[in-house]
Amino acid sequence: QSALTQPRSVSGSPGQSVTISCTGTSSDIGGDNHVSWYQQHPGKVPQIMIYDVSKRPSGVPDRFSGYKSGNTASLTISGLQAEDEADYYCCSYVGISANWLFGGGTRLTVL
Amino acid sequence: EVQLVESGGGLVQPGGSLRLSCSASGFTFSTSAFHWVRQAPGKGLEYVSSINDYGSRTHFADSVRGRFTIARDNSKNTVYLQMNSLRDADTAVYSCVKDRTGAWAFDVWGQGTMVSVSS
Repeated sequence: QSALTQPRSVSGSPGQSVTISCTGTSSDIGGDNHVSWYQQHPGKVPQIMIYDVSKRPSGVPDRFSGYKSGNTASLTISGLQAEDEADYYCCSYVGISANWLFGGGTRLTVL
Repeated sequence: EVQLVESGGGLVQPGGSLRLSCSASGFTFSTSAFHWVRQAPGKGLEYVSSINDYGSRTHFADSVRGRFTIARDNSKNTVYLQMNSLRDADTAVYSCVKDRTGAWAFDVWGQGTMVSVSS
């Protein structure tokens, strides 16, 4: 199975909204709702931001939201803040093969 | 506080072996599944392996299947990753990750341990 496809970079100004897409296939993203998103600041460990497509763990600001349509999942960050500048990775659990697929990562730059 | 501390990384020649350990604390270890995820220098995240709470089910990425094994000792709150026949492409930071209970997601990540494969 191939990795999920994410844009290499996105950018936005403080206060704006940005959306990061994550495209897979009907076998992974399109097959169930096991999509999660992770934020990684340089030199730091990844932090879970979204799981089950759109659920936020406690402590994650509601500026972060997740969505899925067909074989594409999306992470939207509204009201951009400087601290949101980081790498973001999508991930899908593929139940039929018990495998996990990551996207290549998207670098978010806050202008 | 949930803590995962990896150890056992280092420099090894191609074809060599290493055993990574992940010591866990701050939660009920025996009811949690665990994963290993790696990140090569300057690259993205790559799934490596998983083990369920009882240690009865394991899974491996195609890139490591047949070379790596995963195990756990619930009496020591420790997860292990035995890596054999190491290749240059296995060079990465290996992180132990606690599964998110009730969801298919990676919940808490350790700081990781660096594995360098080079002659």
